[in-house]
Order: sequence, then C-alpha cells, then structure tokens
Amino acid sequence: DAGVIQSPRHEVTEMGQEVTLRCKPISGHNSLFWYRQTMMRGLELLIYFNNNVPIDDSGMPEDRFSAKMPNASFSTLKIQPSEPRDSAVYFCASRISTRGLEQPQHFGDGTRLSIL
Amino acid sequence: SQQGEEDPQALSIQEGENATMNCSYKTSINNLQWYRQNSGRGLVHLILIRSNEREKHSGRLRVTLDTSKKSSSLLITASRAADTASYFCATEGGANNLFFGTGTRLTVIP
Repeated sequence: DAGVIQSPRHEVTEMGQEVTLRCKPISGHNSLFWYRQTMMRGLELLIYFNNNVPIDDSGMPEDRFSAKMPNASFSTLKIQPSEPRDSAVYFCASRISTRGLEQPQHFGDGTRLSIL
Repeated sequence: SQQGEEDPQALSIQEGENATMNCSYKTSINNLQWYRQNSGRGLVHLILIRSNEREKHSGRLRVTLDTSKKSSSLLITASRAADTASYFCATEGGANNLFFGTGTRLTVIP
C-alpha cells in the first residue's frame, strides 16, 4: 500500500520566495497533520485537519504560513514570503480518527526546506 | 511546547545488549505512543499503550506506562545494528493530536 506521499523531497529557494509543500495522505485516512522538525525545537505540530476541515492551527508560527485541504486526498502547506528561519524538515502525517479508537499516525518522508 | 521529554538524549550500546529509553510527560493522557525515525526518513510507529494499560510487548519491544509518575519506558532487547535510529515518545490527550518528546538517539555498534 502507498504510504503518505510528500513532494518535493528537497526544496532550496531564496528568501522572499513563495514555497508550497504538498501531501497526499493514505487513502481512507480522515485526519491529516503538518509538522515541522528542527534541531532546536524538535517536532512541532503546525496544523491538523479532520475530514478536510482545519481543527487546530495554533501551531502555525505566523501569518506567512497557510495550509489547505481541498479534498480528502491532497493538502498543501504554503509559506509566503519565506525566511531563512523557516528552514526545517516539514512532515505530513495521516491517520484514521474514530472516537474511542486510537490509531497511530503514518508519516511521509518529509520535505527538507532550505531558505537562503 | 512539547509534552514529553526522553532520557537519555543519546545512547550507545553493543549489538546484542538491551536498550532502555525513558519518557516523562506533564498532563493526563489517553495513550502514549513510541515512534522510530531513521536518518532522513519520516517517523514510523512502533507501539501504542493506552492509559489503562501498564505494559505492552511487540516482538523485541517492551513498553511500560506509569500514569501516577507520568512516565513510560521503551526496552529494546537483543539490539541489532539496524535498530540504530532516534526514538520518540508521543502523548495523546483529549484532542486529536500528538505531542512529541525530544527523542533519544540510539546507536548500536556491530
């Protein structure tokens, strides 16, 4: 079975440019999560969706960050304008969320973002 | 802020030895999960233990949970070089999200 698919795997761009990260969750999963991982701050939850609806975006660092989930099989995380401190590995994860039934999250291999 | 803290931050052992990693957390939880991350890859789920469980096994993995002390441990028995990775605990409360710890970097020397 295909896992969570993220693209691109690597992105290098200049400060001020718009960056779009993409994620395809596992088919049938109804929750999707975006994380950021850095050496200094570890793994941070940015935002998560249930049934394509954003539930908690309190982890989104600034208004420069936005995320969408137009349908059950696709999500984007956008940074505009990008800054060097946004450099990190960004992970997408998905899972089946059913009240009372705990399920693990399945992670993609991440996008390594470098802002010069 | 992160919920869990792992201890130790780094651990180096010989192949065949057991590895024990500890996790402490701050608030009440519904479950606690352990994940592994190989270099350059995403996290992979290892085991989930619910708040009403005290111990769980999966192959060479043994996880304990002490909710009174707000702590958990992961034991990997008969370690192999392929077990070299970072290990994270993650707690799940009432909301549909996980809070990850800072991780333990395990190195198994062949």
